[in-house]
Amino acid sequence: AQSVTQPDIHITVSEGASLELRCNYSYGATPYLFWYVQSPGQGLQLLLKYFSGDTLVQGIKGFEAEFKRSQSSFNLRKPSVHWSDAAEYFCAVGPLMEYGNKLVFGAGTILRVKS
Amino acid sequence: GAVVSQHPSWVICKSGTSVKIECRSLDFQATTMFWYRQFPKQSLMLMATSNEGSKATYEQGVEKDKFLINHASLTLSTLTVTSAHPEDSSFYICSARIGLTYNEQFFGPGTRLTVL
Repeated sequence: AQSVTQPDIHITVSEGASLELRCNYSYGATPYLFWYVQSPGQGLQLLLKYFSGDTLVQGIKGFEAEFKRSQSSFNLRKPSVHWSDAAEYFCAVGPLMEYGNKLVFGAGTILRVKS
Repeated sequence: GAVVSQHPSWVICKSGTSVKIECRSLDFQATTMFWYRQFPKQSLMLMATSNEGSKATYEQGVEKDKFLINHASLTLSTLTVTSAHPEDSSFYICSARIGLTYNEQFFGPGTRLTVL
């Protein structure tokens, strides 16, 4: 069965520092890949997605992610973190329709930003 | 962007009672709605998928008689936790999808259920 791993439960970075959140998946084929952000009391917001093509994907709020097939990874990056980026981030995998057409989420990474 | 609301945002109930959670798409019609459950420090787990006017499709291990899902209109789906017990305490999140593509799935803010 497919699975999504986010190895870091918590990450703390200083404001202005760079950020990388890790995501690995276990799946035979190349799935659709997503990053969502969730602030307290709010719904999940889509940051970016990868379906095919260019493996470096640009998203909203200055985030980008790179798909690396050889490493089964889809890490999220931001060159300079702002205090408002503090939230929980979820990586998700969407398999093909023949596998149920459902999203599978990682456990999430809580980002704390210190000033 | 498309907005999905949930009501209530939190609820506390006694063991043995039933609780209904509403999920509404406020400015679009949702062909499909999803219900997820999230335990602390764990993933969102898909409970069921519902299409307007038809029965929900439950994930393996989810008791359909305990978690009743109704999707009576294109803007409203409800999840009823029947005869709730403390182990049902969790964070329940719904999402709504306009079409068939993943980038059109929008999430509600979640409902925190605590069963005493």
